[in-house]
Formats: sequence, C-alpha cells, structure tokens
Amino acid sequence: EPEVTQTPSHQVTQMGQEVILRCVPISNHLYFYWYRQILGQKVEFLVSFYNNEISEKSEIFDDQFSVERPDGSNFTLKIRSTKLEDSAMYFCASSSRGPTDTQYFGPGTRLTVL
Amino acid sequence: QKEVEQDPGPLSVPEGAIVSLNCTYSNSAFQYFMWYRQYSRKGPELLMYTYSSGNKEDGRFTAQVDKSSKYISLFIRDSQPSDSATYLCAMSVSGTYKYIFGTGTRLKVLA
Repeated sequence: EPEVTQTPSHQVTQMGQEVILRCVPISNHLYFYWYRQILGQKVEFLVSFYNNEISEKSEIFDDQFSVERPDGSNFTLKIRSTKLEDSAMYFCASSSRGPTDTQYFGPGTRLTVL
Repeated sequence: QKEVEQDPGPLSVPEGAIVSLNCTYSNSAFQYFMWYRQYSRKGPELLMYTYSSGNKEDGRFTAQVDKSSKYISLFIRDSQPSDSATYLCAMSVSGTYKYIFGTGTRLKVLA
C-alpha cells in the first residue's frame, strides 16, 4: 500500500540553525501539506501546496518557514533560523485531489532544538 | 470556545467492549469529518472519512455525524488491545485545505 515517507525520523539542531525536513508524498498525489504537533498538544496545520504554490497557510507559518518541491518526488519544509519553540513532530501529508479529498499522513520527523 | 473539543481521556475499557469516542465543534461551516488513530510517536492513520451528516460503517468502526448538535462520534465494536492508541477527530470547511484537529482521546483496551 502506498504511503508517505519522511526523513529524517529525528533531527537535533542548535537554536538559530537552518533545518530541512524531507517528505516523499504518495506518488500520484498532487496536494501536499505540513502539520506540526508540539508534545502533548494537538496537531496543527502549517501549510498546503499545490502546483508549485502555497494554497493556504496558517499564522504559524511565518517568514522563518518555506516549502519547496525540488523535484518530482520530494516535498520539503525549511525552517531558516530555528527557535526552541520549533521543537515538535512535523508531519507531511498528501492527497490526490484538493480540499474534498482525504489527507494521508507520514510517520513524522521529530525536531529537537537545543 | 475551542473550535473542536475532545475529551483527552484516558479511557480504559475491557477487551470486547464497545467504545464510544466523541468530539464537539463550534464552527457550523465544517463539512468534512475525519477520525485518525495515532500510536505513540507515530503519524495519524486515517480510520474514517465522512461528508456532512449521517453514519458510515467500516468493519468494527462506525462514524456518526450530527450537524444539528455539532457532535461527531466514533464507535469501535469488539475492541481489541491493539486498538489502544490516541484517537483524533479532524474537521474541515469545504473549499479549504486545513484540517482542524481535536486534542485526541487516549484509549486503553485491557486484555
């Protein structure tokens, strides 16, 4: 069964450093998403991406964040200058169609900012 | 008032019991309702996806949506220890990409 994959599973970084989280969405999916989950809190939407453009973003997704589809298979989330409060699980998701379609989630990348 | 509310539990039941999990919401514009299961430190796994009101059944799982009461439920029949996980409800407004999640209910099924 096709699934979303994410690398790395765990990333440790120093405050102020840049990190790139990587995702390989399900192959025939066209819509891509990032969510985050701070430990013990709910899953929160960050951004959606379609046709090489951001289609929707939350207030969390500020100028420190960016997304990119660098090739036909990968989807990345970059955090330019990490803060302690960026420590969280980051989930990538994808769907085949747009807002009416189900989003399938990857296993997550645990980001720890020291 | 929170947009989506969910009792965090934990909810402990004996094996074989019927489990009822619930979410309430305040935004009447929500049209799509999802239930995800999340094991510890793993990604959410889709269980059920429902549009608007009504019931949907899939194996041991039944999802119900009552839009008039702004209330959704997930029933698990013949619960198993492997059902022990956190169950997340999620909702979205038609035409938007953002899912709004509840905080999750932690379920423990005791053998």
